[in-house]
Amino acid sequence: DGGITQSPKYLFRKEGQNVTLSCEQNLNHDAMYWYRQDPGQGLRLIYYSQIVNDFQKGDIAEGYSVSREKKESFPLTVTSAQKNPTAFYLCASLGQGGANQPQHFGDGTRLSIL
Amino acid sequence: QKEVEQNSGPLSVPEGAIASLNCTYSDRGSQSFFWYRQYSGKSPELIMFIYSNGDKEDGRFTAQLNKASQYVSLLIRDSQPSDSATYLCAVNLYGGSQGNLIFGKGTKLSVKP
Repeated sequence: DGGITQSPKYLFRKEGQNVTLSCEQNLNHDAMYWYRQDPGQGLRLIYYSQIVNDFQKGDIAEGYSVSREKKESFPLTVTSAQKNPTAFYLCASLGQGGANQPQHFGDGTRLSIL
Repeated sequence: QKEVEQNSGPLSVPEGAIASLNCTYSDRGSQSFFWYRQYSGKSPELIMFIYSNGDKEDGRFTAQLNKASQYVSLLIRDSQPSDSATYLCAVNLYGGSQGNLIFGKGTKLSVKP
């Protein structure tokens, strides 16, 4: 089945540790996105990529890093510089057809501090 | 500051009633509008999208867009307890092919049996 796979489902981070969240899609979508959701809040854009080997900062990129070496993959690293990483992280992708097309989401990764 | 505003609720309706969810946005240049449903602890799933003024119907759901008044709404007819969820409004503020969305904080809907 085509879709977006995020792993792991739950992740725990120790003080000073970097952790990487995986996002893989087999939809052949060019654009991919990372969002953060805090309880009772909407989604906030961390990073996005519209093409391989290129990515842009979103509204809350500080303390995060990404790479886009393959079309299918857009991993997000939560660095030790992110002091409040506890949140629900969502990866999304967007197919051809431009802005009028909807984004599709993976199942999310829930990150907590140990 | 480009914003998307939603009433956080909770909005409580009896089973079988019509639920009306509203969303306003700040940027007149906004191009496309999306409604997502999010169950507790789950990721958002697309309900409907609309980009032309007027109504768009899909089963029990109707999206309404009024660009002059800068609001978009979602009507759910014959509401069911399974419709109980948070509904997120998302707006593409930039048009073109960028696809970036601004999300509202969501309205929590509770459908009582």
